[in-house]
Amino acid sequence: SQKIEQNSEALNIQEGKTATLTCNYTNYSPAYLQWYRQDPGRGPVFLLLIRENEKEKRKERLKVTFDTTLKQSLFHITASQPADSATYLCALDAMDSNYQLIWGAGTKLIIKP
Amino acid sequence: DTEVTQTPKHLVMGMTNKKSLKCEQHMGHRAMYWYKQKAKKPPELMFVYSYEKLSINESVPSRFSPECPNSSLLNLHLHALQPEDSALYLCASSQENGNTIYFGEGSWLTVV
Repeated sequence: SQKIEQNSEALNIQEGKTATLTCNYTNYSPAYLQWYRQDPGRGPVFLLLIRENEKEKRKERLKVTFDTTLKQSLFHITASQPADSATYLCALDAMDSNYQLIWGAGTKLIIKP
Repeated sequence: DTEVTQTPKHLVMGMTNKKSLKCEQHMGHRAMYWYKQKAKKPPELMFVYSYEKLSINESVPSRFSPECPNSSLLNLHLHALQPEDSALYLCASSQENGNTIYFGEGSWLTVV
């Protein structure tokens, strides 16, 4: 069966450390994968997109990797800050999903001062 | 701040009421979406409009009726809803169907 999975447990990280979130998928042929941030009671906000032929993408303190062999994307926040606390969602755009985004359930990230 | 504007931000309605959620974007996007999101769950796609035509209806009950009056506006008409329909309703848009999606802040709907 096809699925996309994120760690459902909250991730607690000390301020200043690097936070790493994982997104795994099975049985999709991805075109690209996106990461979104969602704060409580608000709509998701787009952060980064990485294509299936790209290994790594960076934006300021954010870095995304994409390994189509492992069927995994990692999302890193370096020098984490309490303001980075939110739920982070990955979304896969796959040829076999008619290019509709398939969403992970999200991982809640808590950065402790 | 999001460039997709949704109104109202909060709506409480009875099961016999008729109400509408409204959405507007001025980014020139040609695809618009309605999503439903329950607590601690990912957004769940309801409808997709592409070039003002309904292209996807994810088997949504007929008590939800979408409307796209023009390329900037998207409405969701609500009638005879059930308490389990209470959720955050998100409007979104993208340049083309399947590209990066830009969400509004959402409309919190409570059905009593």
